[in-house]
Amino acid sequence: NAGVTQTPKFQVLKTGQSMTLQCAQDMNHEYMSWYRQDPGMGLRLIHYSVGAGITDQGEVPNGYNVSRSTTEDFPLRLLSAAPSQTSVYFCASSYFLLTVPYEQYFGPGTRLTVT
Amino acid sequence: AQKITQTQPGMFVQEKEAVTLDCTYDTSDPSYGLFWYKQPSSGEMIFLIYQGSYDQQNATEGRYSLNFQKARKSANLVISASQLGDSAMYFCAMKLNAGGTSYGKLTFGQGTILTVHP
Repeated sequence: NAGVTQTPKFQVLKTGQSMTLQCAQDMNHEYMSWYRQDPGMGLRLIHYSVGAGITDQGEVPNGYNVSRSTTEDFPLRLLSAAPSQTSVYFCASSYFLLTVPYEQYFGPGTRLTVT
Repeated sequence: AQKITQTQPGMFVQEKEAVTLDCTYDTSDPSYGLFWYKQPSSGEMIFLIYQGSYDQQNATEGRYSLNFQKARKSANLVISASQLGDSAMYFCAMKLNAGGTSYGKLTFGQGTILTVHP
């Protein structure tokens, strides 16, 4: 049971490049989400999914795309990287039952630098 | 929209003493959950403790307890008998349990850096 895995751990991009951050979980969790963590701002929700084929925007979705073709995987795509997207990105997953607030399990994070 | 406020950017505590990390929240929904996470310098997010809005008793998990005061909308984390390994960033977070556009989303505070002195 690997939990939530993220690849890569570190990435440097040039402005305008695109890339995909990978996230996978093996706990059969319905709910998956992406956060970014910037100094002094806590974690902010980018996109989330409540099941395969269902995604929705979070607090800071601009510049990012997601898809959820399987329960296990939830990749985050940066369409055209900008220096403002320099951040640490966390993927998280949890069970998703109405009125039952399960804890979210976080991946180890991806540290992205855009130059 | 819900909001979490952690007013202490940094806290210091002597080893073996207790420390309280403050968290206040704002929501008009009656059903929600409050979480505390620890983030050590290695970067991972570690779940510590959970409190449901309808729970009658304060949550406890080992040395961690949550001082839940619903009327004041506060959910302070108390760490007893601090250890050097408790030095880390601590985040308070909230998730709504009812339906609506905010359902399931975890909203975080800005965090408090705790330093434990020997």
